[in-house]
Amino acid sequence: KQEVTQIPAALSVPEGENLVLNCSFTDSAIYNLQWFRQDPGKGLTSLLLIQSSQREQTSGRLNASLDKSSGRSTLYIAASQPGDSATYLCAAGSSNTGKLIFGQGTTLQVKP
Amino acid sequence: DVKVTQSSRYLVKRTGEKVFLECVQDMDHENMFWYRQDPGLGLRLIYFSYDVKMKEKGDIPEGYSVSREKKERFSLILESASTNQTSMYLCASVESQGRGNQPQHFGDGTRLSIL
Repeated sequence: KQEVTQIPAALSVPEGENLVLNCSFTDSAIYNLQWFRQDPGKGLTSLLLIQSSQREQTSGRLNASLDKSSGRSTLYIAASQPGDSATYLCAAGSSNTGKLIFGQGTTLQVKP
Repeated sequence: DVKVTQSSRYLVKRTGEKVFLECVQDMDHENMFWYRQDPGLGLRLIYFSYDVKMKEKGDIPEGYSVSREKKERFSLILESASTNQTSMYLCASVESQGRGNQPQHFGDGTRLSIL
């Protein structure tokens, strides 16, 4: 059974720092790996999706990588801003039905 | 722009009531999902549907049922609400994966309290 883990559970950094969020998964037979952002009391917003055949995806200041052999994905945020403060969740897509297994998230605080 | 709408942001119900949570998407997506999100447990899949009138149990279906009579609407039903069903409920939809990898789109959630 697929399990997804995110460490650390919480992270606090000063504005301007580059940072990396980590995600690990137990079953390398994934369909895709997705990163989401969740603001307090809100739903999830998709940030990046990496297909199983890809190694990374980039969108603006965000870069996500995927290493299936080691069961790891990272989300790199460059030049962090207070507006980046949120909970970041990764999810492993296990089949072409779109079903996802979520990690518990990393709550990021970027201090001005 | 993609839109998933959940009918209520906040809902308070009593133990034993039958509760309906509604979700509508405007993207003609085949697949729709209901999750609940609890502190320390993360998001857990309750049910999903891959077509009209088709449904499949997720990881925690007990105490819940679903209905999908039209492609755009997916309803979650709590047959007899209990206090342990107090939670944040999130609906999501995605285009059929057979057309390529696509991200799930989420509604804003319904925070349900059972008293």
